[in-house]
Amino acid sequence: QKEVEQNSGPLSVPEGAIASLNCTYSDRGSQSFFWYRQYSGKSPELIMFIYSNGDKEDGRFTAQLNKASQYVSLLIRDSQPSDSATYLCAVGGSNYQLIWGAGTKLIIKP
Amino acid sequence: NAGVTQTPKFQVLKTGQSMTLQCAQDMNHNSMYWYRQDPGMGLRLIYYSASEGTTDKGEVPNGYNVSRLNKREFSLRLESAAPSQTSVYFCASDTLGGEAFFGQGTRLTVV
Repeated sequence: QKEVEQNSGPLSVPEGAIASLNCTYSDRGSQSFFWYRQYSGKSPELIMFIYSNGDKEDGRFTAQLNKASQYVSLLIRDSQPSDSATYLCAVGGSNYQLIWGAGTKLIIKP
Repeated sequence: NAGVTQTPKFQVLKTGQSMTLQCAQDMNHNSMYWYRQDPGMGLRLIYYSASEGTTDKGEVPNGYNVSRLNKREFSLRLESAAPSQTSVYFCASDTLGGEAFFGQGTRLTVV
């Protein structure tokens, strides 16, 4: 059974600080890695994707991938109250089917 | 640009009733998906269609059927609704390995 694990939270971070969200996966053949943000009552929307080991930066967001450790993370710098949401990690295997984590609820405190 | 359009947004069914959830995408994506989302369990794949004319079971297909009507449309049918099917349902589409786009969701309650 292919699995994607996330800490359910809630993760509480002060406004302006760095929020660090983590995800581990079980399938060593995984090829693609996605972070989605989901506001309460809304549908998921893509924040970042990463395919290669290392870091990928996009504005305040940085995705980090370590395939040897089967670990992917999302850093949010200068956290804002509008970043409060549930963050879903999704991992694509060799057939590109996505396996989803249960999500981490992030709360940014003003 | 509508993206993925999913109807209805809300539905209440009595146990044993049937219904069809409709989904259409205008992004020319080959792949379409139906997920359910329950509290604390993330997104679970019900059925998917990798291309027009094909459908396959996902993680939780029991109690559901699907139809890929054409490249744009992918419907999900509950033949005899059960309380265990109370959930939020999302339709999504993507290009294989690419970004998935989601519909706005259907909140289904079976009483």
